[in-house]
Amino acid sequence: DIQMTQSPSSLSASVGDRVTITCQASQDISNYLNWYQQKPGKAPKLLIYDASNLETGVPSRFSGSGSGTDFTFTISSLQPEDIATYYCQQYDNLSITFGQGTRLEIK
Amino acid sequence: QVQLVESGGGVVQPGGSLRLSCAASGFTFSSYGMHWVRQAPGKGLEWVAFIRYDGSNKYYADSVKGRFTISRDNSKNTLYLQMNSLRAEDTAVYYCAKDIYGDYARTFDIWGQGTMVTVSS
Repeated sequence: DIQMTQSPSSLSASVGDRVTITCQASQDISNYLNWYQQKPGKAPKLLIYDASNLETGVPSRFSGSGSGTDFTFTISSLQPEDIATYYCQQYDNLSITFGQGTRLEIK
Repeated sequence: QVQLVESGGGVVQPGGSLRLSCAASGFTFSSYGMHWVRQAPGKGLEWVAFIRYDGSNKYYADSVKGRFTISRDNSKNTLYLQMNSLRAEDTAVYYCAKDIYGDYARTFDIWGQGTMVTVSS
């Protein structure tokens, strides 16, 4: 199985900060990577698909990049409503696995 | 609006069975693949199962293979998950999620609110 290592596991930042989360795959997954946001008590929400494509309706301060084994998710200017846990998810071959999540808090 | 609503969760003893349902509305259910994804309390997300838009192909996580069965009724716009031989480690919130395509694209663009399953004696 393909393992996804997400870091950091938690992060505290101030409003307006640039925030970066990384996700590393245990093998080459091309661009078969998505990013989701999950607010407390809510279902996950798709933000980025195919590593770098912004889902319709998602604010442009969210972005993704990377290919192969190393991927980055960025919030260009953190807003209070961005407090959530963020997950990467790979879908190479026939498998589906999620990273362990990054809990983002406001400093 | 596009919506998925799960039901059927509850408390069940180890070894017991439960059937979850997911009612879809606001989109052409019969055109899209569907998934179940679960989340144990305080833990991350785990993909469980997939069914193709026409029900002709199904995939399962190793952790549930042989115990869980995914199915769908396109005439009722409803997805199901039959869970047998339940274990304590199956305790989780179960989400149904819509795939972006009819086949196994594995990108989840719509999620339900989830239904809690607790396996305990």
